[in-house]
Amino acid sequence: AQRVTQPEKLLSVFKGAPVELKCNYSYSGSPELFWYVQYSRQRLQLLLRHISRESIKGFTADLNKGETSFHLKKPFAQEEDSAMYYCALRPGTYKYIFGTGTRLKVLA
Amino acid sequence: DAGVIQSPRHEVTEMGQEVTLRCKPISGHDYLFWYRQTMMRGLELLIYFNNNVPIDDSGMPEDRFSAKMPNASFSTLKIQPSEPRDSAVYFCASSPSASGGTQYFGPGTRLTVL
Repeated sequence: AQRVTQPEKLLSVFKGAPVELKCNYSYSGSPELFWYVQYSRQRLQLLLRHISRESIKGFTADLNKGETSFHLKKPFAQEEDSAMYYCALRPGTYKYIFGTGTRLKVLA
Repeated sequence: DAGVIQSPRHEVTEMGQEVTLRCKPISGHDYLFWYRQTMMRGLELLIYFNNNVPIDDSGMPEDRFSAKMPNASFSTLKIQPSEPRDSAVYFCASSPSASGGTQYFGPGTRLTVL
């Protein structure tokens, strides 16, 4: 079955601390993986995608096919990173499968 | 470009009433998606369209839910009759086929069924 698992509903870290938002997927083919973010009072928007291998707002995510993971990381959290983060799998079609989301709170 | 437009932004209705949610996708986008967001289940895809044609409605929870896309610039999601468990935020998103999968989300409609 195709599935995306985000084990943490809420993650609280202090400003300046490292952040890792976990995402594991279940898919037998070659996955396309994304991270979407929803800041307070803003629309859900794309943060990054694995094929771009880019860093956006200091965040990176590496696809680990062996562990079927796509964890989102940032070395030093900022207060403005507080938001809802969704990991998403696109299994070869235009259809997305989203995880249940992790709310990140960065404390001052 | 105003992005994806959804109306209403908030809807409060009583159990048994019909609810219609509306979406205007970004001009030129040929894919349109309807999602439901709840605390327990996160973001669930209900249905998506390509060039106004429904492609996958396997996420529509039951026959009470229906969606239409009569033209490239308008889509509706209807719930009839509504139930309290339908209370959620409903998002519409659109995507151009050339975007490599990036979806552009609307602001959402927060539905409360009493």
